[in-house]
Amino acid sequence: ETGVTQSPTHLIKTRGQQVTLRCSSQSGHNTVSWYQQALGQGPQFIFQYYREEENGRGNFPPRFSGLQFPNYSSELNVNALELDDSALYLCASRKEGTQYFGPGTRLTVL
Amino acid sequence: RKEVEQDPGPFNVPEGATVAFNCTYSNSASQSFFWYRQDCRKEPKLLMSVYSSGNEDGRFTAQLNRASQYISLLIRDSKLSDSATYLCVVNMVGDNAGNMLTFGGGTRLMVKP
Repeated sequence: ETGVTQSPTHLIKTRGQQVTLRCSSQSGHNTVSWYQQALGQGPQFIFQYYREEENGRGNFPPRFSGLQFPNYSSELNVNALELDDSALYLCASRKEGTQYFGPGTRLTVL
Repeated sequence: RKEVEQDPGPFNVPEGATVAFNCTYSNSASQSFFWYRQDCRKEPKLLMSVYSSGNEDGRFTAQLNRASQYISLLIRDSKLSDSATYLCVVNMVGDNAGNMLTFGGGTRLMVKP
């Protein structure tokens, strides 16, 4: 419905590994944001990309990085995974002032 | 102190009841305000924007008090399908923040038959 898709839906990794999460949005959605939602909490802003450049970042360490591509897709990369990185990762794309969220990727770090 | 604070609930109400949720935010430079709804294990979905003059969408009424930095959501004639977590959301715009949404922790509502 929102036109925002994410892959994979679920992922299990072990501590120290690296992970790449993907997001695809519709044409015209120039801004993409990533959020982390731990169990029982509200989503926390990680960073935002506009026209392939990061233009805003929340309180997350550099091991969280991202890319945005010309085809309205984007990636979230997390290096050196920690147990506390276990969460639902949400991608949101913005068009005309409204943010549309994808269904999320649930990451479990063991 | 959290930037956006909500009572986590749960609020357990019977069908047909009226229920109100409140939210406070700490950054007076906040520019826009929203209520999102999140069903279990799903993504947040925009319920409604919140305007200074107050606004209504069917059974839902939202109010904003900028002086008190306070946002409210009123749900009248609760339905079973209203059971969800309601997230209070504030939009911060700044040099380093881009166009980030700041979410409260959410208030869980359970409507019982």
